[in-house]
Parts: sequence; structure tokens; C-alpha cells
Amino acid sequence: EPEVTQTPSHQVTQMGQEVILRCVPISNHLYFYWYRQILGQKVEFLVSFYNNEISEKSEIFDDQFSVERPDGSNFTLKIRSTKLEDSAMYFCASSAAGADYGYTFGSGTRLTVV
Amino acid sequence: DQQVKQNSPSLSVQEGRISILNCDYTNSMFDYFLWYKKYPAEGPTFLISISSIKDKNEDGRFTVFLNKSAKHLSLHIVPSQPGDSAVYFCAARGYGNNRLAFGKGNQVVVIP
Repeated sequence: EPEVTQTPSHQVTQMGQEVILRCVPISNHLYFYWYRQILGQKVEFLVSFYNNEISEKSEIFDDQFSVERPDGSNFTLKIRSTKLEDSAMYFCASSAAGADYGYTFGSGTRLTVV
Repeated sequence: DQQVKQNSPSLSVQEGRISILNCDYTNSMFDYFLWYKKYPAEGPTFLISISSIKDKNEDGRFTVFLNKSAKHLSLHIVPSQPGDSAVYFCAARGYGNNRLAFGKGNQVVVIP
């Protein structure tokens, strides 16, 4: 069964450093998303991406965050200057036709900012 | 932001019995509702969904009920199996967008 692949599974970074989280969505999917889950809290929407541009973003997704689909297969989330409160599980997801059919989520990247 | 609420964080049920998970929402603009299951160290897996124009959707052992007037939905799993032990998330989507609002999740433990 096709799956969304995320790397790395765990990333530790120092506060203030830049991090890039990588995702390979399902190949024929058109919509791509990032969500995050801070420990003990709910899964939160960050951003959706369609047709090579951001289609929606949440208030969490400020200027420190950016997304890119550099080569037609990868979908990346960059955090420019990490803060302690960015520590969370970051999930990438993709879907063929928006949210109507449910997304396929990756297994997540656990980001720890120290 | 408490647009989607899941109370009773954990549920234990005997194998073969029914598991019922509840979800309440506050945003009347939500038009599509989904349930996800999550195992440790994995991402959420889509289970079942329902459009706001329906009040019931069934897929095998899983049935979702929607009561729009009460802004309430529930997931029924029958019969429950040990492999159903996981965290279950309720999620909702507003008309015209693709972002999902998630509840905090319910831990379900199915006892063999």
C-alpha cells in the first residue's frame, strides 16, 4: 500500500538553529499538508500546499516556517530559527482530492529543540 | 481553540463488545467529519468519515453517527478486537477548505 515517508524520524537541534523536515508524499497525490502535535496536546494544522503554492496556513505558521516542493517528489518544512516551543511531532500528509477522502499521514518526525 | 472536543480520554472494553467514542464540535461551518486511529510511533490512519448531509455512515465494524442539531458525532466499533487498541481522533473540516481541526483523542484499550 502506498505510504507517506518522513525523514528523519527524530531530530534534535539547538535553539536558534534551522531545521528541515522532509517528506515524500504518495506519488499521485496533489494536496500536501503539515500538522504537528505537541506532547499531550492535539494535532494542529500548520499548512496545506496545492499546485506549488500554499493554499491555507494557520496562525502557527508564521514567518519562521516555510514549505517547499523542490523536485516534484519531496515536500519539506523548514523552521528558520527553532524555539523550545517548536518541540513536537511533525506529521506530513497527502491526499488525492482534498480532505474528503481522508489524508494519508506519515509516521512523523519528532523534533526536539534543546 | 476547542472547536472539536473529545471527553473521556480513555476507554477500556472487553473483546467482542461495543466501543463507543464521542465527539462534540462548536463550529457550525463544519461540513465533513472524520475519525482517525493512531498507534504509537505511527501517523494517524483514516478510518471513516461522514458528510454533514448524512446522519450515519457504516464501514464494516465501524459506524459513525452524526447529530447536527446537537453538534455531536460518535464512532461505534462492534465487535471490538484487541487490534483496535489505539488512540482515536475525531476531526472536522469546514466548507471550502482542507484544514482539519482535531480533537485531543481517546485512548481505547480492548481487553482480550
